[in-house]
Amino acid sequence: AQKITQTQPGMFVQEKEAVTLDCTYDTSDPSYGLFWYKQPSSGEMIFLIYQGSYDQQNATEGRYSLNFQKARKSANLVISASQLGDSAMYFCAMRVSQGGSEKLVFGKGTKLTVNP
Amino acid sequence: KAGVTQTPRYLIKTRGQQVTLSCSPISGHRSVSWYQQTPGQGLQFLFEYFSETQRNKGNFPGRFSGRQFSNSRSEMNVSTLELGDSALYLCASSLGVRDSYEQYFGPGTRLTVT
Repeated sequence: AQKITQTQPGMFVQEKEAVTLDCTYDTSDPSYGLFWYKQPSSGEMIFLIYQGSYDQQNATEGRYSLNFQKARKSANLVISASQLGDSAMYFCAMRVSQGGSEKLVFGKGTKLTVNP
Repeated sequence: KAGVTQTPRYLIKTRGQQVTLSCSPISGHRSVSWYQQTPGQGLQFLFEYFSETQRNKGNFPGRFSGRQFSNSRSEMNVSTLELGDSALYLCASSLGVRDSYEQYFGPGTRLTVT
């Protein structure tokens, strides 16, 4: 079954420090995509970063980087130099193919709190 | 370019009523997917529309339906509302082509059923 697992319900980090949010996935599809989204209390899902299964290099977007370890089926999000505005829920998601279409399968999320 | 828009942002309905939610995708995107988010079940896929056709459907009862118009705008309808339908409903916009990395969400509609 195609599944995303986020084992950290909550994480705390000091402002300006780096933090890693864990994500493991399970799929038998050789072609897949992995996403990270940020969801502040307002509810909107904000796209952060994407990693394709055939991408040779780890994805980076500003302070966000994705530590992609294909053999271990992990796609951890690293946030460098945390800011107070980074406090939010973070969701890892996988694009899965189904009947000629695609959908996103989400993990349960990790609540990140950045302390001043 | 403008992002994904959803209307209304907030909605309060009574059990047994029906509701229609709207989603306008990013210009040029032909696929609209709908997700339900609840504290207990997390984010669950409802259905996807592409070029006015439902292309994929999640495991939700027939009370949940949708449609897509020629301008790619999509509506989602829930009939005979139940208390458990209280949730944040999110729509996602994408090109709809395989392996596309573009999956952008709207701000959501928060539905409360009393």
